[in-house]
Amino acid sequence: SYVLTQPPSVSVAPGQTARITCEGNNIGSESVHWYQQKPGQAPVLVLYYDSDRPSGIPERFSGSNSGNTATLTISRVEAGDEADYFCQVWGSSSEPYVFGTGTKVTVL
Amino acid sequence: QVQLQQSGPGLLKPSQSLSLTCVISGDSVSSNSAAWSWIRQSPSRGLEWLGRTFYRSNWFNDYAVSVKGRITINPDTSKNQFSLHLNSVTPEDTAVYYCARDPVGKGGYLDPWGQGTLVIVSS
Repeated sequence: SYVLTQPPSVSVAPGQTARITCEGNNIGSESVHWYQQKPGQAPVLVLYYDSDRPSGIPERFSGSNSGNTATLTISRVEAGDEADYFCQVWGSSSEPYVFGTGTKVTVL
Repeated sequence: QVQLQQSGPGLLKPSQSLSLTCVISGDSVSSNSAAWSWIRQSPSRGLEWLGRTFYRSNWFNDYAVSVKGRITINPDTSKNQFSLHLNSVTPEDTAVYYCARDPVGKGGYLDPWGQGTLVIVSS
């Protein structure tokens, strides 16, 4: 099955930029979706198809995808961005939704 | 705005069956484009997709290999909801269970998610 690897944690100061990577074999040929999950809450979609934002998601959230790495970038980080972030790709008909290992973003 | 509301018991004994329901508002379980999934999350396994149901002139289901043989997902068009049944649970099935919609089906993403149900399997 397809494996998506994320760093366990990323720390960033308020106002700075956080970059969260998602590594997978030739992931650049896939569409990558990103979710934010705050403690005790369900995941929320923050980016889809690599870089599209759902309504209500700030422009501070952006994405890129090339080669073996997809990246979620959070600019001008705020305290409210502290959460776990997961990437996801379409796998196959037998495992359509493949999730990354998750990254905990801590705002210092 | 699509919303998903989950319900079902949260405490089970080993060998019992898990049953959860997800009520849909703002969309239809019979949508010809969407697909309706169950996902679980635990510290040991992370986010794990379990299965889905969708309608494309007929009803279809896909199930994860890890739970195949124990899982059934059923749509209920009269109540606009879908359900998860997982048989013969063990402590390893302890997790938070979520329902979610894929608006586009193949190649898609999951949005929105239900609120989650913590299921604990313990004797």
